Amino acid sequence: AAGVIQSPRHLIKEKRETATLKCYPIPRHDTVYWYQQGPGQDPQFLISFYEKMQSDKGSIPDRFSAQQFSDYHSELNMSSLELGDSALYFCASSYPSGLDYGYTFGSGTRLTVV
Amino acid sequence: AQKITQTQPGMFVQEKEAVTLDCTYDTSDPSYGLFWYKQPSSGEMIFLIYQGSYDQQNATEGRYSLNFQKARKSANLVISASQLGDSAMYFCAIPGFQKLVFGTGTRLLVSP
Repeated sequence: AAGVIQSPRHLIKEKRETATLKCYPIPRHDTVYWYQQGPGQDPQFLISFYEKMQSDKGSIPDRFSAQQFSDYHSELNMSSLELGDSALYFCASSYPSGLDYGYTFGSGTRLTVV
Repeated sequence: AQKITQTQPGMFVQEKEAVTLDCTYDTSDPSYGLFWYKQPSSGEMIFLIYQGSYDQQNATEGRYSLNFQKARKSANLVISASQLGDSAMYFCAIPGFQKLVFGTGTRLLVSP
């Protein structure tokens, strides 16, 4: 079965650089979520999109932006990277009623800022 | 707002024994669900089991079962016949508005 695809799997960037993470949801899933998980922490919600419109926003820094495109894939753009941005970034997708169908996570992008 | 509490930072169990991972929750939604995810050291978040608040019977998926006690607002994960490959972080989660809210997780170590 198709899963949520994230790219790249690993990314190393220097401070003050920019990074773009991509997420391809499961076909026919129309809601996409982004999470950030620091070392030894639980996943923290960043932002979600439903039908290409932002539906909820968490503790996402102003340096970060995201969007969902017409083919439902989503990109998380991070600028002026800081050491503290080093984390595992998850994308997940679901039907609008995640309650019934669950949330499927991608394998994550491990970002290291040096 | 939804809240998940996992009070066990770490648990140890011997291979082939059963283990229970605790999860309590708080929500004002009349209808909700509880999820459990496994996160091995490789990092991916693997869905294990789900229980809806109006489900009459506790959910079971292979060696995983949910001990769901709605009145106590608890949804404990029971892993029977633990295997070495069960060593991982385990997260309980509950849907909030347009997102999943996670607990702080429990690290399970299975010893031979």
